Amino acid sequence: DIQMTQSPSSLSASVGDRVTITCRASQSISNYLNWYQQKPGKAPKLLIYVVSNLQSGVPSRFSGSGSGTDFTLTISSLQPEDFATYYCQQSYNVPRTFGQGTKVEIK
Amino acid sequence: QITLKESGPTLVKPTQTLTLTCTFSGFSLTTNGVSVGWIRQPPGKALEWLALIYWNDDKHYSPSLKSSLTITKDTSKNQVVLTMTNIDPVDTATYYCAHQHHLEPRYFDYWGQGILVTVSA
Repeated sequence: DIQMTQSPSSLSASVGDRVTITCRASQSISNYLNWYQQKPGKAPKLLIYVVSNLQSGVPSRFSGSGSGTDFTLTISSLQPEDFATYYCQQSYNVPRTFGQGTKVEIK
Repeated sequence: QITLKESGPTLVKPTQTLTLTCTFSGFSLTTNGVSVGWIRQPPGKALEWLALIYWNDDKHYSPSLKSSLTITKDTSKNQVVLTMTNIDPVDTATYYCAHQHHLEPRYFDYWGQGILVTVSA
C-alpha cells in the first residue's frame, strides 16, 4: 500500500494568513494526487484534483503543486470559511489511500 | 447532476453483517469507466478507503478488510451495495459512498452525505 503522510497534523492560523500543507507519498505517485476539504459533520468535498486542478467553484486562493512523492496545498489568504480539515489522497493504484488529515484552526 | 445517498441500519450488534446501500442518480454504472467507491471515517479520525466497483464489475478492496467486505452493483436500481461481515465496535464510523471520475487520473468528485453506523451490543 502507498502511505500518505501529511504535515502538520494541525495548525492554527489567522484570517489572511498564507497556509501551506504538505503531503508525502511513500513511493512515486506521479501526478495522481487529490485534495479534499471536510467541515465538521459534512462529507468531504473535492478541492483539487491531479495535483493542481481546482474543482469547479473552488476559490483561486487555493492552489496545489508537486510531483512524484511530495505535494503541497496552499491557501494564499485564509478566509473564515476555510477552517476545516484537509486530506490528500492518491489514485495511483489500489488500495486508494488518504493522508491522516490536517486540521486548520482559528488562531 | 450527480447525487449519491447512503442508507442502511444505524445500529448494528457485534458479529452481525452490515449491509449498506448507495443509491445514486445522474450517471449509470453501465457506462464505460464509471465507478463507485466506499470510504469510512471513525468518529474524530481520518478517512479510510474500503472498496471500489467499476462499470465492468471489476472490484477492489482494502487489503485489511478484504475478507469481510463484498461490493456489488444493481444497475437496474442505480445502487451499489457494501456488505461487511462479522462487524466489530471498531467498525463504528460514518460510511460514505462516492462517485469516482471516469477517466484517469481518477478522483472522488461526488460524495453522499454519509451514514453513521454504530456497532454496539
